[in-house]
Amino acid sequence: SQKIEQNSEALNIQEGKTATLTCNYTNYSPAYLQWYRQDPGRGPVFLLLIRENEKEKRKERLKVTFDTTLKQSLFHITASQPADSATYLCALERQGGKLIFGQGTELSVKP
Amino acid sequence: NAGVTQTPKFQVLKTGQSMTLQCAQDMNHEYMSWYRQDPGMGLRLIHYSVGAGITDQGEVPNGYNVSRSTTEDFPLRLLSAAPSQTSVYFCASSYSMKSEQFFGPGTRLTVL
Repeated sequence: SQKIEQNSEALNIQEGKTATLTCNYTNYSPAYLQWYRQDPGRGPVFLLLIRENEKEKRKERLKVTFDTTLKQSLFHITASQPADSATYLCALERQGGKLIFGQGTELSVKP
Repeated sequence: NAGVTQTPKFQVLKTGQSMTLQCAQDMNHEYMSWYRQDPGMGLRLIHYSVGAGITDQGEVPNGYNVSRSTTEDFPLRLLSAAPSQTSVYFCASSYSMKSEQFFGPGTRLTVL
């Protein structure tokens, strides 16, 4: 079955640095992958979608890469701010079109 | 636009009780889904619907029922609550199964 893994340990970085979060998957080649942000006590909020034929996608300070050979997506936040502190979820499309979510990585940006 | 709304926000049940979690969206989305979120487990799909009158099972459907009589509403029914159903439940909607999902604020359910 398809499996998706994100760093389970929280990522702590200093304000202004680049945060890099990893999403690895096995046993499937998804046509696309999505990233979401989730704040405590709230529902996830969509950030970016990247397709298998796109190596990289950018939106303001966010950048996502998708390496189908390594079966990995990297999510970067440049010039990070304390307001970027949240849990970030990756989700990939699996057979039948349904999304499977990773468990999320908590990011903490210290001033 | 209210987006995706869920009621109630919090609920405590006793084992064996039944209840319905409500979900509504005002974006005219065809695709709606229910997830549960448990610590360390991520979001797991319970049931989903690709349009009014059409529903299907996700990866953890046991103990839950759904129906979709209108485009706007997608209620989730717990038939006989069990402590293992203690979780946070999220409803989501989207234009299609493959497009960005819009999530509701969640319902925190505790089963004693």
